[in-house]
Amino acid sequence: IAGITQAPTSQILAAGRRMTLRCTQDMRHNAMYWYRQDLGLGLRLIHYSNTAGTTGKGEVPDGYSVSRANTDDFPLTLASAVPSQTSVYFCATRQGASMNTEAFFGQGTRLTVV
Amino acid sequence: AQSVTQLGSHVSVSEGALVLLRCNYSSSVPPYLFWYVQYPNQGLQLLLKYTSAATLVKGINGFEAEFKKSETSFHLTKPSAHMSDAAEYFCAVSGARGSTLGRLYFGRGTQLTVWP
Repeated sequence: IAGITQAPTSQILAAGRRMTLRCTQDMRHNAMYWYRQDLGLGLRLIHYSNTAGTTGKGEVPDGYSVSRANTDDFPLTLASAVPSQTSVYFCATRQGASMNTEAFFGQGTRLTVV
Repeated sequence: AQSVTQLGSHVSVSEGALVLLRCNYSSSVPPYLFWYVQYPNQGLQLLLKYTSAATLVKGINGFEAEFKKSETSFHLTKPSAHMSDAAEYFCAVSGARGSTLGRLYFGRGTQLTVWP
């Protein structure tokens, strides 16, 4: 079934460690996004990519980096994890970076930083 | 800048009762608005979207929403709640210009509980 695959599903990580969350899509969508979801705060955009080879910062980019080497993959890296990065992370895609297309979401990665 | 505000972080209804989840938007241009649903331990899925074609938008699972420009609202309704509707619901607005184009800005979510 076509869609978005996130890995790992969940992870417990020691503070200070480096971690990469993987996101792969097979829908050939141009735009990809990383959100974090925290209780009472909804979803906040970390980084985005409107097309392969380009990336941009969202609302809460500090402590995170992304790359977009090709259309299908959009990994999110935590260079040195801190407890405040404990969250559920969602990768999403859109057909194009336009206003009226819907976003599709992965199943999420639950990250706990201890 | 675009933003949405969801009024009420928790809503409880009895099975068979009307569901009303409130969303107000702020946008300097005609907005594109979305409602998403999230079931436990899952990602978000689209319920419906408003893209200016019609002010009353029908979505999946019997939900609908009405765009009211005068009230800057896009409330989600369902005439009769079902136990399976229990989930978290998010309103979102699409970024309209410049560096915000294509981004989705989400509200904080409303948790819907349905009592038998």
